[in-house]
Amino acid sequence: KAGVTQTPRYLIKTRGQQVTLSCSPISGHRSVSWYQQTPGQGLQFLFEYFSETQRNKGNFPGRFSGRQFSNSRSEMNVSTLELGDSALYLCASSFRSKTERLGQTQYFGPGTRLLVL
Amino acid sequence: KNEVEQSPQNLTAQEGEFITINCSYSVGISALHWLQQHPGGGIVSLFMLSSGKKKHGRLIATINIQEKHSSLHITASHPRDSAVYICAVNYGQNFVFGPGTRLSVLP
Repeated sequence: KAGVTQTPRYLIKTRGQQVTLSCSPISGHRSVSWYQQTPGQGLQFLFEYFSETQRNKGNFPGRFSGRQFSNSRSEMNVSTLELGDSALYLCASSFRSKTERLGQTQYFGPGTRLLVL
Repeated sequence: KNEVEQSPQNLTAQEGEFITINCSYSVGISALHWLQQHPGGGIVSLFMLSSGKKKHGRLIATINIQEKHSSLHITASHPRDSAVYICAVNYGQNFVFGPGTRLSVLP
């Protein structure tokens, strides 16, 4: 099976702009989670989508949003970019059934490295 | 709020040494994960634990639910094990990560 793919791999934006990142999960995986990694804060959980619904959300402002499509592909959007949004954004997919709680083995994509100038 | 701590922060070992990385957390969890991140950012999930012990090749992970503590052991370490090892826990509907342990294995 193909692994988790993320596009683009690298992105440069300026403050105030918005950005959309894409994640394609492993075939058959219905859960997609997004994470932000920065040198200062480390890895932080953004949100999880399952069957097109946001199931869990971390402690991030409303500028960070996402969605999931019927084919389980997911997008993450950050509006009004700030310098502090510069980070590696990782998505991960898992084979999680509807009744299982968050916590199954995650398969990570290579990440999108975002630089905000 | 669940705090996840790891020790040591940095670790340098000689090839062949036995390595232990520790993780402790403050609140009851549903699962604990050990992740490996290589330079360049790629993350691989090594183990998911909710109790007991798991082994995969030269890697062993244990968890003590009562003491809220987990350890990752690497036997016969090799330079290709050099990476950052991250402990992460699930509690409630959240996912909290430790700061990571940077391991360098010298030939």
